[in-house]
Amino acid sequence: EVQLVETGGGLVQPGRSLKLSCVASGFTFSSYWMYWIRQAPGKGLEWVSSINTDGGSTYYPDSVKGRFTISRDNAENTVYLQMNSLRSEDTATYYCAKGFAYWGQGTLVTVSS
Amino acid sequence: DIVMTQGVLPNPVPSGESASITCRSSKSLVYKDGKTYLNWFLQRPGQSPQLLTYWMSTRASGVSDRFSGSGSGTYFTLKISRVRAEDAGVYYCQQVREYPLTFGSGTKLEIK
Repeated sequence: EVQLVETGGGLVQPGRSLKLSCVASGFTFSSYWMYWIRQAPGKGLEWVSSINTDGGSTYYPDSVKGRFTISRDNAENTVYLQMNSLRSEDTATYYCAKGFAYWGQGTLVTVSS
Repeated sequence: DIVMTQGVLPNPVPSGESASITCRSSKSLVYKDGKTYLNWFLQRPGQSPQLLTYWMSTRASGVSDRFSGSGSGTYFTLKISRVRAEDAGVYYCQQVREYPLTFGSGTKLEIK
């Protein structure tokens, strides 16, 4: 059974950093692209980042480019999202996904002073 | 960026009836391999999104055949036959044709 468990969310002040983790199980992690998607409270879905199987290619929308960094550790079956210079508009539930077919339960990030 | 525009449903939809959700893209989602890179998701209240269809019309594993995706390169429809209470939630279309990947704003389905 595919499982994705996100951790690392919480309350953080504007301008500070936070690192999210997503531990995967139930599939061959190193064979799949992984994604981060977020959802602000009461709002729709926004794609945040993609990473290919070996971590050599990464993609971001303009809204987070230069501030967020996706990475992965295939030995640990884990994908990360390093978030720097956080803003109030980054407040959202952050989901990791395996090829969009499987999603974790999400972790809430609240950026507020 | 490709803009995804979703339609509105005349809610609530009576149980047992059909519902069609529309989605339009600002650019063709057909890639050179002939596939149309359009996903549909359902997000039930309090849950993570669930993939329903990919490549416009291919149902994801375990998804009921009451869900069917269709369309052209820029206009898409998700049809739900014989709607049930469990189908209630917000439906999203997403283009994965090119970066940045973009979602529609969502279409809410309520069941009567």
